[in-house]
Amino acid sequence: GEDVEQSLFLSVREGDSSVINCTYTDSSSTYLYWYKQEPGAGLQLLTYIFSNMDMKQDQRLTVLLNKKDKHLSLRIADTQTGDSAIYFCAEKDGSQGNLIFGKGTKLSVKP
Amino acid sequence: GAGVSQSPSNKVTEKGKDVELRCDPISGHTALYWYRQRLGQGLEFLIYFQGNSAPDKSGLPSDRFSAERTGESVSTLTIQRTQQEDSAVYLCASSLTRDRDWAFFGQGTRLTVV
Repeated sequence: GEDVEQSLFLSVREGDSSVINCTYTDSSSTYLYWYKQEPGAGLQLLTYIFSNMDMKQDQRLTVLLNKKDKHLSLRIADTQTGDSAIYFCAEKDGSQGNLIFGKGTKLSVKP
Repeated sequence: GAGVSQSPSNKVTEKGKDVELRCDPISGHTALYWYRQRLGQGLEFLIYFQGNSAPDKSGLPSDRFSAERTGESVSTLTIQRTQQEDSAVYLCASSLTRDRDWAFFGQGTRLTVV
C-alpha cells in the first residue's frame, strides 16, 4: 500500500536553514502537502505542490519535488524559534483521494 | 461553518463504555477524513468519506470502531467497549473535492479511557 516516510527529528540553530525530507510511494499522487502542528494544536496546511512541478517557493518556504525518486523536501530559510513544531508530509492517493500522512518530523530550533 | 468543528473537545470515559465523537465539516466539502493521533505519534488513518460513495474503512483498527456520515454533512465516529489503548486525539478533516483540494483539520477530540 501507499506509504510516506520521514525522519523523526531535526534540530537546528535559529537563523540557519532547515530541510525536512520525505519519501512517498504512490506514483499517481497528484498533490503533495506539508502540514504543521504546533504543540497542543491541530494540523495547519503550510504549503503544497502539484506533482507536475519541481519547485515551489512561498516566502521562507521552498518545496522541492523529485518525482523520479519520489522525494519531497521542505526548506525553511532563516529558521525561527516559532518554527518549532512537528511537520507532516502528506500525499493524496491518486486513485482513492485519501490523504496519507508520514509520522511527522519534530523540528527543534535552538536560540 | 467557518472551519471544521469537533465535539466534544475532551472526553474522559471508563473502560468498556461506548463513546461517540462528532465532526461538522466545512459546508460544501464533499470529502471527510478521520485520523487518530496517539501521544507523540503520527497520524493514523481511520476512515474516509467521499460524497455518496462507499466509505474507505480500511484504517479502522477493529470492529469496535464505526463511523457514519449522512450525505455531505455531519459525521460521527463511534467506539464501542472502549479500551485504554483507544486513548488518543481523534482528528477530523474535510476537503472541497477528492482531487485537488487540501484538507482543513478540526482541533480534535482528546479521548482518555480510564
